[in-house]
Amino acid sequence: EAQVTQNPRYLITVTGKKLTVTCSQNMNHEYMSWYRQDPGLGLRQIYYSMNVEVTDKGDVPEGYKVSRKEKRNFPLILESPSPNQTSLYFCASSLVGKTHGYTFGSGTRLTVV
Amino acid sequence: SQQGEEDPQALSIQEGENATMNCSYKTSINNLQWYRQNSGRGLVHLILIRSNEREKHSGRLRVTLDTSKKSSSLLITASRAADTASYFCATDGGSNYKLTFGKGTLLTVNP
Repeated sequence: EAQVTQNPRYLITVTGKKLTVTCSQNMNHEYMSWYRQDPGLGLRQIYYSMNVEVTDKGDVPEGYKVSRKEKRNFPLILESPSPNQTSLYFCASSLVGKTHGYTFGSGTRLTVV
Repeated sequence: SQQGEEDPQALSIQEGENATMNCSYKTSINNLQWYRQNSGRGLVHLILIRSNEREKHSGRLRVTLDTSKKSSSLLITASRAADTASYFCATDGGSNYKLTFGKGTLLTVNP
């Protein structure tokens, strides 16, 4: 089944403890992206990647890192999480081109205390 | 920055009725897409309409696009309780395939 898989689904952590949210897709998509979703603010892009070793900042990149060493994986790294990073996170992927929609993962609900 | 803005923010209808949601955006686009999100779950792509298209159908969905007014509408016909979800429009306006999402319309279909 074509899908984007995120792990974990839920995570509660403490301020300052480094964490990684994994994202993997099995559709050979070039484009991958991370979004966070917050009440009243909607979905905001954190980082995106056009292909292996090509990443760039989205609208809200502060406090996050990403890497794209393989085409299928695009992990989101929080080096020193803070409570304002408590959010619902989504990974998405797409073929590169003007007529393709995104495929989203099921989301990771992160709580930083 | 938010590009698409959906209207209304919330819509409650009875099963069998049609639901219409609107989206307005600010800058030129390559395409506009609609997504559905069930509570707390991932977004599901519904339909994409290109900037040179005016109307598109997919099953019970009908999307229109008016680039002169920078607006789009999503019509769901003969709604079902299972259509209860949030609906988002998203615009692709740049060269980096970034989608910019609106804040969504919460649709409730009462049985």
